[in-house]
Amino acid sequence: NAGVTQTPKFRVLKTGQSMTLLCAQDMNHEYMYWYRQDPGMGLRLIHYSVGEGTTAKGEVPDGYNVSRLKKQNFLLGLESAAPSQTSVYFCASRYSPQGGEQYFGPGTRLTVT
Amino acid sequence: AQSVTQLGSHVSVSEGALVLLRCNYSSSVPPYLFWYVQYPNQGLQLLLKYTSAATLVKGINGFEAEFKKSETSFHLTKPSAHMSDAAEYFCAVGSSSASKIIFGSGTRLSIRP
Repeated sequence: NAGVTQTPKFRVLKTGQSMTLLCAQDMNHEYMYWYRQDPGMGLRLIHYSVGEGTTAKGEVPDGYNVSRLKKQNFLLGLESAAPSQTSVYFCASRYSPQGGEQYFGPGTRLTVT
Repeated sequence: AQSVTQLGSHVSVSEGALVLLRCNYSSSVPPYLFWYVQYPNQGLQLLLKYTSAATLVKGINGFEAEFKKSETSFHLTKPSAHMSDAAEYFCAVGSSSASKIIFGSGTRLSIRP
């Protein structure tokens, strides 16, 4: 099993550009999550999904959109990137809330200039 | 609602000394509790979890944590620190009824030779 993979690993964008981050998991997990990690602020939840075709807002959803068209994939989109979106983005998945832990991807380091 | 507080953003111990990382939680329902570790430039990986079985939980790399309901705590300990333990540690809380896991802000552990 590859677990949770994220594409790309690094990206530099100019302000106003758009991009999509891809998260894929091969563990048949129902739940998937997108977080951003900034120094001193821990992990902040952007959006999450409790199953194929569903999405929900997390703590910091503004400026981001998501889609879960296939169970194994969870896409995070930035329509018009801003310097404030410079961060490390992590995807995670879990089987269920009943005691299930989250499995994390390796992260995507995004810089917006 | 659930929340988690990690006391101390940075902890420094000598190699061979006791490691103690503090975590307090708030939850209106029986909690599931997790400790994750993040090594530089990597994603988070699970150290251990509590899901209402034994209150003393043993994890990987010699770490353990004790669930104390009366103190609403889930502190992480290791009897003897190794240089390889230097990393960031996150405490997290969830429940059987919650889609999301709530993360603390993290504690960076440094090991002095």
